[in-house]
Amino acid sequence: DAGVTQTPRHEVAEKGQTIILKCEPVSGHNDLFWYRQTKIQGLELLSYFRSKSLMEDGGAFKDRFKAEMLNSSFSTLKIQPTEPKDSAVYLCASGTGGYEQYFGPGTRLTVL
Amino acid sequence: AQSVTQPDARVTVSEGASLQLRCKYSYSGTPYLFWYVQYPRQGLQLLLKYYSGDPVVQGVNGFEAEFSKSNSSFHLRKASVHWSDSAVYFCVLSATQVVGQLTFGRGTRLQVYA
Repeated sequence: DAGVTQTPRHEVAEKGQTIILKCEPVSGHNDLFWYRQTKIQGLELLSYFRSKSLMEDGGAFKDRFKAEMLNSSFSTLKIQPTEPKDSAVYLCASGTGGYEQYFGPGTRLTVL
Repeated sequence: AQSVTQPDARVTVSEGASLQLRCKYSYSGTPYLFWYVQYPRQGLQLLLKYYSGDPVVQGVNGFEAEFSKSNSSFHLRKASVHWSDSAVYFCVLSATQVVGQLTFGRGTRLQVYA
């Protein structure tokens, strides 16, 4: 079975640009998560979907971050507008409704 | 609220030596616990999990972990490390009442030298 797929693997953006990150969960998984990973903050939950319904919107990330799940096999994370402090690795994970999560390889975002 | 503490940010061991990575958790209920590993430029991979039962759980690549309720700990062990085990290891807790909410430790960077 294919694991979680994330594209692109690397993204470089200018400050103020809009970027869209993509994620394909493991086939059949109902839960999808977006995380941001930085050295200072560690892993932070951005969004959580269950069966395409938004369950958690990440509180502090609401203003410029928007995750969508257009169908059960595809999700996007839009950051608009980008700021240098958004430079991080963005991880997507999926799960079957239990407690384990399976992570993708991540997208490394650099905002200049 | 729950928390996970990994007291060692970095651990360095020689190849063939035994390993223990420490993890302490704080949670009033019964926790589900995981160890994940992250190799350079990759996502997190599940090493092992503990839900209930035998407090010693086996994982992939010879890793095992022991759950202790009295010590609120879930330490990771390996009898003999290989240079390819060099990575960052995360101890993770799931609160049993809230599916989908994981609490991550800050990670321990393991460096294995020949």
